[in-house]
Amino acid sequence: EPEVTQTPSHQVTQMGQEVILRCVPISNHLYFYWYRQILGQKVEFLVSFYNNEISEKSEIFDDQFSVERPDGSNFTLKIRSTKLEDSAMYFCASSVGRLNEKLFFGSGTQLSVL
Amino acid sequence: DQQVKQNSPSLSVQEGRISILNCDYTNSMFDYFLWYKKYPAEGPTFLISISSIKDKNEDGRFTVFLNKSAKHLSLHIVPSQPGDSAVYFCAAPNYGGSQGNLIFGKGTKLSVKP
Repeated sequence: EPEVTQTPSHQVTQMGQEVILRCVPISNHLYFYWYRQILGQKVEFLVSFYNNEISEKSEIFDDQFSVERPDGSNFTLKIRSTKLEDSAMYFCASSVGRLNEKLFFGSGTQLSVL
Repeated sequence: DQQVKQNSPSLSVQEGRISILNCDYTNSMFDYFLWYKKYPAEGPTFLISISSIKDKNEDGRFTVFLNKSAKHLSLHIVPSQPGDSAVYFCAAPNYGGSQGNLIFGKGTKLSVKP
């Protein structure tokens, strides 16, 4: 069964450093997302992406965050200057349709900012 | 602003018995609801969904009930199995943006004891 692949599974970084989280969505999906879950809290929407541009972003997705689809398969989330509060599990997801009634999630990248 | 609420952080059930996981919502515009299951170190996986035009949807051991007047839905697992031990998230699509995104509850951790 096709799946969303995320790398790395764990990332440890120093505060102020840049990190790039990588995702390979399911190949025939057109809509892409990033969510995150801070330990003990709910899964939160960050950003959605379609046709090489951001469709929607939440308040969390400030100027320190950016997304890119550099080629036909990868979808990346960059945090320019990490903060302690960016520590979370970051999930990439993709869907066939626009209204994402059914999302397929990757296994996540656990980001720890020290 | 919690539009999707799961007020029970955990639930423990004996194998073979029924598990009932509850979810409340505040936004009467929601017209579709989903349940996701999440194992440790994995991303959420879609389990079952229900449209607001229905009050029940069944898929094998899993049944979701929707009470629109009470803005409440529940997931029933019968019979519960140890492999069902996971965190269960209730979610609803937010169609506010051009692409939409899912709003998740905080999750309920189900433990099924052998």
